[in-house]
Amino acid sequence: DVKVTQSSRYLVKRTGEKVFLECVQDMDHENMFWYRQDPGLGLRLIYFSYDVKMKEKGDIPEGYSVSREKKERFSLILESASTNQTSMYLCASIRGGNPNQPQHFGDGTRLSIL
Amino acid sequence: AQKVTQAQTEISVVEKEDVTLDCVYETRDTTYYLFWYKQPPSGELVFLIRRNSFDEQNEISGRYSWNFQKSTSSFNFTITASQVVDSAVYFCALSESNNNDMRFGAGTRLTVKP
Repeated sequence: DVKVTQSSRYLVKRTGEKVFLECVQDMDHENMFWYRQDPGLGLRLIYFSYDVKMKEKGDIPEGYSVSREKKERFSLILESASTNQTSMYLCASIRGGNPNQPQHFGDGTRLSIL
Repeated sequence: AQKVTQAQTEISVVEKEDVTLDCVYETRDTTYYLFWYKQPPSGELVFLIRRNSFDEQNEISGRYSWNFQKSTSSFNFTITASQVVDSAVYFCALSESNNNDMRFGAGTRLTVKP
């Protein structure tokens, strides 16, 4: 079974802090994704990556950056956290070139910015 | 870009009732893939089903059934004889053949009362 692991289930940070959310997958998947989930808005794509050191903006990249230094790890970075970034963050992965396959998700990180 | 609409924000039913969750999608691609995911209170998204655009055959899996109609761009999900354990948020999603980024609907929160 594919395992997607997010480093924290719950995280509390302060406004202005630099925040790192880590995601690791163990199935050698090329493609990895970061979403945020908010009530009534569903899952919105922040960034995705097709390969190491490659990244593409999703629908809501403002205020975020990402890092993919190794194939198995995809990090989401909040350069200067703000209260409107309080949300549930979900990481997913999928093998490259397979849009017909379901994405595999981690358990999510519930981030609160105070 | 593709778009998924789940007009029902919340649905509440009593156990053993049948319930249908609606999903309407938009895409310009002729080859695409539709998905349903379940998100129980624990938070992890669980893949339920995938449908290819060229396969309109409806599918039944136990108490779950899916009705895919290209003519109305809909991919509805019916739970027969609902149970309390069906309480969750359900997401419909769409990916196109020429890219790997999936788009999700806003989700429908289903509550099944005993």
